[in-house]
Amino acid sequence: SAVISQKPSRDICQRGTSLTIQCQVDSQVTMMFWYRQQPGQSLTLIATANQGSEATYESGFVIDKFPISRPNLTFSTLTVSNMSPEDSSIYLCSVEIQGADGYTFGSGTRLTVV
Amino acid sequence: AQSVTQPDIHITVSEGASLELRCNYSYGATPYLFWYVQSPGQGLQLLLKYFSGDTLVQGIKGFEAEFKRSQSSFNLRKPSVHWSDAAEYFCAVAGMDSSYKLIFGSGTRLLVRP
Repeated sequence: SAVISQKPSRDICQRGTSLTIQCQVDSQVTMMFWYRQQPGQSLTLIATANQGSEATYESGFVIDKFPISRPNLTFSTLTVSNMSPEDSSIYLCSVEIQGADGYTFGSGTRLTVV
Repeated sequence: AQSVTQPDIHITVSEGASLELRCNYSYGATPYLFWYVQSPGQGLQLLLKYFSGDTLVQGIKGFEAEFKRSQSSFNLRKPSVHWSDAAEYFCAVAGMDSSYKLIFGSGTRLLVRP
């Protein structure tokens, strides 16, 4: 299965600022996703990161707030823009490799906005 | 679009007792189904998955799950619970159409009485 390196692992940010989270995979993958896990909640899909084109966002998530880049098949970034305390969550990157064990998740980025 | 329902928010069982966690899904075709476990402050760990074939699947840590198409269910079971099984359990469904999105249920928190 793929190995995902997600950075940073945690951060404390001031409201109104932005944070960019990086996701690096050790092999080329077609499907890459970003999730949010709010405190005490389940994982909610933010968007599918598409290589070379705009990400596909789920209902309730918009590009202005969560811009995503995916320049190649092994790397993606998620930016949390103009942060507020409500953005305090764990953000996770995930990849799917067909024919493998399904979905692999990064260890997550624990974001606290103060 | 697919969806997952985990009707039990919390379940408490005594150590050594049997366990069943419920999961119902909604998807137009045959889904890919997963159970994940998340211990406090830890990442997601895949317990088991169902893609096709035998509807009773075995996973790690002594867990099993049964896919019942007629009931749109994929319940997780364990014959004898250990204290270390206390965690949050997530059922998830993927639609292997063009999106490959993995959607999570709301989770069930398992508490184990000594």
